[in-house]
Amino acid sequence: AQSVTQLGSHVSVSEGALVLLRCNYSSSVPPYLFWYVQYPNQGLQLLLKYTSAATLVKGINGFEAEFKKSETSFHLTKPSAHMSDAAEYFCAVSDVNDKLIFGTGTRLQVFP
Amino acid sequence: NAGVTQTPKFQVLKTGQSMTLQCAQDMNHNSMYWYRQDPGMGLRLIYYSASEGTTDKGEVPNGYNVSRLNKREFSLRLESAAPSQTSVYFCASSGVTSRSGNTIYFGEGSWLTVV
Repeated sequence: AQSVTQLGSHVSVSEGALVLLRCNYSSSVPPYLFWYVQYPNQGLQLLLKYTSAATLVKGINGFEAEFKKSETSFHLTKPSAHMSDAAEYFCAVSDVNDKLIFGTGTRLQVFP
Repeated sequence: NAGVTQTPKFQVLKTGQSMTLQCAQDMNHNSMYWYRQDPGMGLRLIYYSASEGTTDKGEVPNGYNVSRLNKREFSLRLESAAPSQTSVYFCASSGVTSRSGNTIYFGEGSWLTVV
């Protein structure tokens, strides 16, 4: 069965610092991997997705993620955090019929 | 540019009452989903519909029923609400084509409290 694990339910960074949110996956087939962002009291918005075209995936708002098969990881990064990046971030793997299996989420706090 | 629209946004129910969450998408998507979100548990799939006329159970289907009314609409029904069903519910849709790895688009959520 496919699954994802997000390490760290809360991450705090200073404005301008590197953001690193960790995601490891388990899949018996080449995975489709996603990062979604959820701002308070809103739905989920796609940040980026990996569909085997390129291992380094660039998304919206300056975020990117690198697929590393040897480490079964798909960590999300942003070189310089902004206050507006404060949100909850979900990593997910796609199952049959595009069903998404989500991690438990990481809440990002950005301090001035 | 509506995307996925779900109603109601907020609802308070008494234990044992029934209600239906409505969802519609205007993107001509084949697949539709209902998820629930609980603190510390991420989103869990309740039911999904891979195409018009089909529905299948997800990870947490107990206490729920669904109807894929047509290609656009996918409703979620709580027949006898329980406090354990207090949650935020998200409808989602994906897949104009039959390829895998389609992006799933989410509605804004429905906050349900069962007292």
